[in-house]
Amino acid sequence: ETGVTQSPTHLIKTRGQQVTLRCSSQSGHNTVSWYQQALGQGPQFIFQYYREEENGRGNFPPRFSGLQFPNYSSELNVNALELDDSALYLCASSLFRGGGTEAFFGQGTRLTVV
Amino acid sequence: KQEVTQIPAALSVPEGENLVLNCSFTDSAIYNLQWFRQDPGKGLTSLLLIQSSQREQTSGRLNASLDKSSGRSTLYIAASQPGDSATYLCAVKGAGNTGTASKLTFGTGTRLQVTL
Repeated sequence: ETGVTQSPTHLIKTRGQQVTLRCSSQSGHNTVSWYQQALGQGPQFIFQYYREEENGRGNFPPRFSGLQFPNYSSELNVNALELDDSALYLCASSLFRGGGTEAFFGQGTRLTVV
Repeated sequence: KQEVTQIPAALSVPEGENLVLNCSFTDSAIYNLQWFRQDPGKGLTSLLLIQSSQREQTSGRLNASLDKSSGRSTLYIAASQPGDSATYLCAVKGAGNTGTASKLTFGTGTRLQVTL
């Protein structure tokens, strides 16, 4: 058990709809990152939040947005869903203390866009 | 731009065999390297974390090494078991905690099958 939980585990949406995925970070962790993993590929970095501010973003369009809350839980929002958004979405939490620290991942949310 | 490559893409070995998975990366300016295990359709389980100043880490039957200057890491699994069957991913963390330097860059993984 990593202490990182994601909800829901599976989701089916229609193209053009909006979706919100949720992540509860490990207690005490101040950094949360989101990744998208297509079938057969490695996870791709979407963005990272540190103390409720976005402080890093990968090559994803603005319709991918997020929030981090004071209790370190977070959300990933995707607007105007496209078929290519179908993937496993992974949340990772870590504690930044001035250096590289271990990232702990949740079990993921499988999003299918039809 | 950091790129991570894992070789081989797939591997099948009989139970009991020792095996080595390889990971290479193009930019040696890293904070750390992590090895993960992923079961089909599941999340990532952290196996080992090696800081950039370290050469290796061990956990049970697993040993990971890091040669930062040559951009290489290996994951050694001793006495493999059918329960080790999974995809193994390596990821490097850039030297920073802001911008894209803060991200983990992953390889595409090695799919391991351990047969009886």
